[in-house]
Amino acid sequence: EDQVTQSPEALRLQEGESSSLNCSYTVSGLRGLFWYRQDPGKGPEFLFTLYSAGEEKEKERLKATLTKKESFLHITAPKPEDSATYLCAARPANAGGTSYGKLTFGQGTILTVHP
Amino acid sequence: NAGVMQNPRHLVRRRGQEARLRCSPMKGHSHVYWYRQLPEEGLKFMVYLQKENIIDESGMPKERFSAEFPKEGPSILRIQQVVRGDSAAYFCASSPVATEAFFGQGTRLTVV
Repeated sequence: EDQVTQSPEALRLQEGESSSLNCSYTVSGLRGLFWYRQDPGKGPEFLFTLYSAGEEKEKERLKATLTKKESFLHITAPKPEDSATYLCAARPANAGGTSYGKLTFGQGTILTVHP
Repeated sequence: NAGVMQNPRHLVRRRGQEARLRCSPMKGHSHVYWYRQLPEEGLKFMVYLQKENIIDESGMPKERFSAEFPKEGPSILRIQQVVRGDSAAYFCASSPVATEAFFGQGTRLTVV
């Protein structure tokens, strides 16, 4: 069974204190690893897609990396506005169709950045 | 370009009533997905639709739940005879071919 596990469940940081969130996956034939951000009461907001081991993508203070078994979301010098739940999701090879919306999600990491 | 639109944002139903959740995908997107987020649980895939076709309903409960995406109009997720365990946030996402999916703000269903 496809599985995505995120750690830690919750992370508290001081503003400017860099850290990383982990996403480990066991998926039959990965066809994309996705990161989303979700604010309370809102829908997930797309951040990154990674397709192959060694790939990296950056956006402002965030950088996502991918290995054959896990992905990391690195947060450099975070600000309070980075506080949110960060979701990792995998698209397995048997997802079917030609689109990228059937995903297996992890439980998320709740990030709180204190000023 | 408006995002994925879901309505209503909040829905309260008594046990045994029907709930209808609507989703209008982003312009140009022909693929629609429904997800459910139960309290203290992650997002779970329910169903994947294209216009007039159900592509994958492997995550849908066997009874009381159905989904459609007609040629005209929004996608509808229908829950018949709701029970307290159906209380959750239901999210719709849409995508064009071969890119990532974008989510709506969700419908929060409360069954009393």
